[in-house]
Amino acid sequence: EVQLVQSGAEVKKPGESLRISCKTSGYSFTTYWIGWLRQMPGKGLEWLGIIYPGNSETRYSPSFRGQVTISADKSISTAYLQWSSLKASDTAMYYCARATGLCSDTSCYSRDGMDVWGQGTTVTVSS
Amino acid sequence: DIQMTQSPSSLSASVGDRVTITCRASQNIRSYLVWYQQRPGKAPNLLIYTASTLQSGVPSRFTGSGSGTDYTLTISSLQPEDFATYYCQQTYSSPWTFGQGTKVEIK
Repeated sequence: EVQLVQSGAEVKKPGESLRISCKTSGYSFTTYWIGWLRQMPGKGLEWLGIIYPGNSETRYSPSFRGQVTISADKSISTAYLQWSSLKASDTAMYYCARATGLCSDTSCYSRDGMDVWGQGTTVTVSS
Repeated sequence: DIQMTQSPSSLSASVGDRVTITCRASQNIRSYLVWYQQRPGKAPNLLIYTASTLQSGVPSRFTGSGSGTDYTLTISSLQPEDFATYYCQQTYSSPWTFGQGTKVEIK
């Protein structure tokens, strides 16, 4: 069974750093993209970016480039989303999800969408 | 970025009703359109990809259609477990943007 299991809820102060994780199992980690998505309280879904663990190729939404860092560790089939300095506006639920896709120099596309999702990690940033 | 506009933003319906949700892209996305269902407190669940292909395990009362810039999700006979929020997403060009969601509520 394909599973994506995310790390637990976090409560942080503004300015602190944070890394959350997405541990995968049941498939070949290096042959699918992993994406990260944000859902602010009571709001819709936003796509932050994706990583291809096979070669660590990473693509970010322009809205989030420089705000977060996406990485992966092939040895433990785990993807990460990290912040160097959190803001109150980072308070949200964050999801990881698996995707197939291909990328050119400028853009990525996916025929099949994001087919398996993690359970979500709540991040609360408050002083 | 490609903008995705969903309508309506919410609707009330009864069990057994036929429900239609529309999604319009700001440019031609060549059927790279995905529909998700999100129940309260849960992660989204993939329903349909490439505009009309039903994901394995999804009931056949869900159908997707459309091409170019205009797409539709139809639930032929609403069931109690279908009361949820539905999102469209274009996966034609990154960033893979979402519609704002349609909340389907019980009448």
